[in-house]
Amino acid sequence: DAGVTQSPTHLIKTRGQQVTLRCSPKSGHDTVSWYQQALGQGPQFIFQYYEEEERQRGNFPDRFSGHQFPNYSSELNVNALLLGDSALYLCASSLPTSGGNEQFFGPGTRLTVL
Amino acid sequence: AQSVAQPEDQVNVAEGNPLTVKCTYSVSGNPYLFWYVQYPNRGLQFLLKYITGDNLVKGSYGFEAEFNKSQTSFHLKKPSALVSDSALYFCAVRDRPPGSARQLTFGSGTQLTVLP
Repeated sequence: DAGVTQSPTHLIKTRGQQVTLRCSPKSGHDTVSWYQQALGQGPQFIFQYYEEEERQRGNFPDRFSGHQFPNYSSELNVNALLLGDSALYLCASSLPTSGGNEQFFGPGTRLTVL
Repeated sequence: AQSVAQPEDQVNVAEGNPLTVKCTYSVSGNPYLFWYVQYPNRGLQFLLKYITGDNLVKGSYGFEAEFNKSQTSFHLKKPSALVSDSALYFCAVRDRPPGSARQLTFGSGTQLTVLP
């Protein structure tokens, strides 16, 4: 059983560009959350998707957007990249988080903005 | 709002000795509490969680954690540390319904180093 997978592993972009990161959830999971982990910090919640809708959003600007597909996979899009967007982007999947269900994390995508 | 504090950036312990990684939390109601571990250049791996019931929770790789409601703490423990336990540990919290939070809020992490 494959766990959470993310692509690409690494990405280098320049300021002002746009980027799309992809995530496939663990089998049987229908809820996908995205987190940003800056160097030396804990993950920060970006948003969560369930039934193809964004159901909660953290304190991130509208440059950050996402999508969930019918097969539960998800994309994170970041427009107008800033140097400060350089981070490890983590995708986590779970059963609905209204219960005490733990989230399972992918290996992350390391984004570097030059 | 929910928050987590990990007061120690770094914890060093000798192999074979017991280890404790500290975590305190703040939520509006009752919490769901989690511990995750992160190895270099890897995602987070789930260790254990507290939902309800027994205050002592057992998890993966011999780790356990004790929920203390009066002290709003959820410290991670292991009776005998291994060198391979060296990694970055994160405590996380989520408020229970009817709180609106669906996301995990993480602490800043504690780097555990087990010395041979």
